Parts: sequence; C-alpha cells; structure tokens
Amino acid sequence: DQQVKQNSPSLSVQEGRISILNCDYTNSMFDYFLWYKKYPAEGPTFLISISSIKDKNEDGRFTVFLNKSAKHLSLHIVPSQPGDSAVYFCAARGGATNKLIFGTGTLLAVQP
Amino acid sequence: EAGVAQSPRYKIIEKRQSVAFWCNPISGHATLYWYQQILGQGPKLLIQFQNNGVVDDSQLPKDRFSAERLKGVDSTLKIQPAKLEDSAVYLCASSPSTGGYEQFFGPGTRLTVL
Repeated sequence: DQQVKQNSPSLSVQEGRISILNCDYTNSMFDYFLWYKKYPAEGPTFLISISSIKDKNEDGRFTVFLNKSAKHLSLHIVPSQPGDSAVYFCAARGGATNKLIFGTGTLLAVQP
Repeated sequence: EAGVAQSPRYKIIEKRQSVAFWCNPISGHATLYWYQQILGQGPKLLIQFQNNGVVDDSQLPKDRFSAERLKGVDSTLKIQPAKLEDSAVYLCASSPSTGGYEQFFGPGTRLTVL
C-alpha cells in the first residue's frame, strides 16, 4: 500500500523554465509534507516543507503547493537551473511516531 | 558542523554472509533513523531510535536484521544472514528530536548481495 506516490519517474525541462514536480498521497492524517533532493552517491537533503494547515510555502526559487481536498502537492522551481538536476523525493509525516513516508522519486533533468 | 557519517560506503558480500553498517549522527541529535532504499524506490524506514531506545522498528525484518545504538550516539545495523533482496542503499539519518521533520541524511552504504 503506497501512501505517497510520485507518478512521474522523470522530467526534463529547459534552463530558465519552470519545473513542476507532483506528488499524491492517500492518508488524510499526514500533518507535514516535505521535499528532499538527492544527487548521485549522496544522501537526500531537505529542500522545503509545508504544514497541512497551509496551502503554499515559498523559499527563493522553490514553492510548494498543497491541495488537501485532492490530496496532492507540487513543487515548483522557477527558474530551473542545471544544478537542480537531481532526484526529488516527496515525503509525508504521520503516525504515532511521526515517521516519514517517501515517494518513489522523480528524476529532474534541466537542460542548458 | 559535521554531517552524518556512515561507513563503509560500499560493500559486496555473498548471500548468507553477514554484514554490519556504522553510523555517527550529527552531534547532539537525539533521534537516529536507518532507512533502506531499493533501486527505483524511495527510502523506507527500518528503525528509529530516540537516544538509545527504539521508537519504531515495525518494518525491520527482525529475523535477520538487528540494530543498536549504544550510549545514544552512534549506531550499527547488522544483517545476518543476507539475502539477494537485501541489495540496497542503507541510509542513516538524524534529527534533533523525534518527528523532527527535517532529517539530515548521511551518504549511505551501497550493499550488493551476490
């Protein structure tokens, strides 16, 4: 039972354009949603988060949108840069121990 | 501030052998996590420690996997005996407190079981 889903395994965008990465979840009890970025041979690094009581959080070029009724969140990167090329994981926090449940990841390739 | 340290970075073993991974979290972080990331999947939590006590080990295959965190600092994860399906990257992470949503990850140990 996959509670957090990233249905796009990969995404390719041109430098300077917008990248939109999507994530769907099934458990309405999740209270925090996070995006992590992972380069090859490195561990994931935290990028941005959003509380379930908000619908938008912005940090520089990165914005996360949450649509609770649709159980959907998205990460927008504007403008995209070649250094943004990485795997992006969506994660949700919930349960008695507040553990993180990760999606399968989306490989973003930003073309110069 | 030093990050989460893990060793070894790579390990190749035969099935039915045993293997151990080591993790040193960020200084002062009370919570330590071990994740298993199989190729093409997201990280899956195996075990979570708060100081040296286990908070969640519901997804740890206890017949072959064990983990300890002595003195509430560094931790070891052991697999004995290993199976082919244990081939994965084992990630250690730490956070200042339980459920701290920002978890800091180490580089991982890539295990290949032949």
